[in-house]
Amino acid sequence: EPEVTQTPSHQVTQMGQEVILRCVPISNHLYFYWYRQILGQKVEFLVSFYNNEISEKSEIFDDQFSVERPDGSNFTLKIRSTKLEDSAMYFCASRQPHPIEAEAFFGQGTRLTVV
Amino acid sequence: AQKITQTQPGMFVQEKEAVTLDCTYDTSDPSYGLFWYKQPSSGEMIFLIYQGSYDQQNATEGRYSLNFQKARKSANLVISASQLGDSAMYFCAMREQGGSQGNLIFGKGTKLSVKP
Repeated sequence: EPEVTQTPSHQVTQMGQEVILRCVPISNHLYFYWYRQILGQKVEFLVSFYNNEISEKSEIFDDQFSVERPDGSNFTLKIRSTKLEDSAMYFCASRQPHPIEAEAFFGQGTRLTVV
Repeated sequence: AQKITQTQPGMFVQEKEAVTLDCTYDTSDPSYGLFWYKQPSSGEMIFLIYQGSYDQQNATEGRYSLNFQKARKSANLVISASQLGDSAMYFCAMREQGGSQGNLIFGKGTKLSVKP
């Protein structure tokens, strides 16, 4: 069964450092997403990506964040200068654009710890 | 205002019993979808069931069913014959058709514990 894969599963980084979280969405999906889940809290939308550009972003997704689809398979989230409050589980998801009931397939997540 | 409300932070259920996890939602979009995801302690998000706003019948998927009451804006998840492996966090989520790129809005979740 096709799946979304994320690497690394866990990343520890120093405050102020840049991190890149990687995702390989399901190959025939066209919408890609990043979500964040701070420990013990709900899953929050960060950004959606379609047709090689950001289609929507939340207020969380500020100038410290960027996304890229550098080739036909990878989808990355970059945090330029990490802060302690960026510590969270980051989920990548992908889905077909239509219909509305198309479920989002989530990756296993990357647990980011900023120290 | 919260778009998705899950009022039960934690629930206990005896193995083999049925349990209902509550979810209410708020939207002015006539076309929307409601999803339930399971998050075990390992952290991954597992899709369980979907209900569309225009669906006439309640969705069912194996032991999972969705009690959809549109007028009340509720979409409760019913798990029948609970198993120990059902112990997890359960999130209700909504996707609105208009004005969005299909992102999901999640509730705060309900932690379900199944007792042997």
